Order: sequence, then structure tokens, then C-alpha cells
Amino acid sequence: SQELEQSPQSLIVQEGKNLTINCTSSKTLYGLYWYKQKYGEGLIFLMMLQKGGEEKSHEKITAKLDEKKQQSSLHITASQPSHAGIYLCGAAGSRGSTLGRLYFGRGTQLTVWP
Amino acid sequence: EPEVTQTPSHQVTQMGQEVILRCVPISNHLYFYWYRQILGQKVEFLVSFYNNEISEKSEIFDDQFSVERPDGSNFTLKIRSTKLEDSAMYFCASSVTSGADTQYFGPGTRLTVL
Repeated sequence: SQELEQSPQSLIVQEGKNLTINCTSSKTLYGLYWYKQKYGEGLIFLMMLQKGGEEKSHEKITAKLDEKKQQSSLHITASQPSHAGIYLCGAAGSRGSTLGRLYFGRGTQLTVWP
Repeated sequence: EPEVTQTPSHQVTQMGQEVILRCVPISNHLYFYWYRQILGQKVEFLVSFYNNEISEKSEIFDDQFSVERPDGSNFTLKIRSTKLEDSAMYFCASSVTSGADTQYFGPGTRLTVL
């Protein structure tokens, strides 16, 4: 099975600060997903990365997948209170998997104070 | 924008009772999933479903669980005889294809077993 470790577990930042969340896999990643979850709610898709070295951005959030495809980072620039929530990384089980099962990390709880 | 919907948002039941959780996936999606999240723990895969068959199931998905697509829009998860440890948030997800395709999640059903 795939094990995903996220760090830090929680993060408290002042509005306007930059921050980075990391996701490290026990195996090579084939499809790495970032989701955001508000407490007690569903998962909102942010970005998907597949290729080593790939980087994607949406508004002030940038995600990268390292060349060796075992680690991903999520970077938020100039954080805002609307960024607060739990960030989850998820990964497909194996290369070429047609079954779609995702494994998730424990999540990083982000608090942004004004 | 199309989204996955789930009903009910919260279900309270007595231990030993049967519950059915309902989901309406995004209309052009062909792959459907159930995940659960026990409070404070990781999101865990339960089952994937395609072409009216289970594609994959986890070790959690034992004989007490079943899934069905009774018509062209609904996707259901049935728990035959609920246990206290079934208390969790249950998420439905869907994707156009499987493998490395993006899964879109519903808002979840919070199941409380008393």
C-alpha cells in the first residue's frame, strides 16, 4: 500500500505570510492530488501532478512534484483567511492503475490569523 | 458547475440497524467511489465501482457493506448491520475515467451509530 506523510501536521500563520506544506511518499508517486477540506465538509480538488518536476499554480497556490516523484510540496503565497482549512495530499496506488483507489495523508491543518 | 451530491448530510442510527447512504455522481462520470473518514483519522478508501460492478474494495469493505447503482443517477452504500465503529464521515466521489483521473468528492454524510 501507499503511505503518505504530511508535514507539518498543523500550521498557524499571519495573513500575508507565505507557507509550504510537504507530502512524502513511501513509494514512487503516479498521480499526486492536493485537496482542501474544511472541518466536517467534503474534499475540494485543488491540483493534480503526474510528471516528475511538474509544477502547477492556481491563484496563489503552487504545487510541485519532485523529479524523483516521491515528494510534493504545496506553497501558498501571501496567505489569506480564506486559505484556512485542512490540506490533504492523495496518491494513486500504482503506476498505470486503472482502479482509481487513492491513498491519503493525515492532512495539514492551516490557520491564518488576520 | 456540476458537483457530487450526497444525502442525508447527517444520519443517526442505532447499532444493528441498516443504513443506506445516497450519492448522485457528476452526470458524465463513469467511475464511482466511497471513502470514509473516522474523526481525526485519514480518509480511507472503501470501494470503487464501474460498469455496475465493484472494481476494487479495501479490507474495510466486508460483507456488511454493499454498493449499488439502482438507476442512472444514484449510487448507494448500504451498511447492513451498523456497528459503533462505523461512525464516520462517508464521502462519495466520481471520475470520468479511472487511474490517474481526478476524483471529485461530495460533501459527505456524517453517520453516527449509537
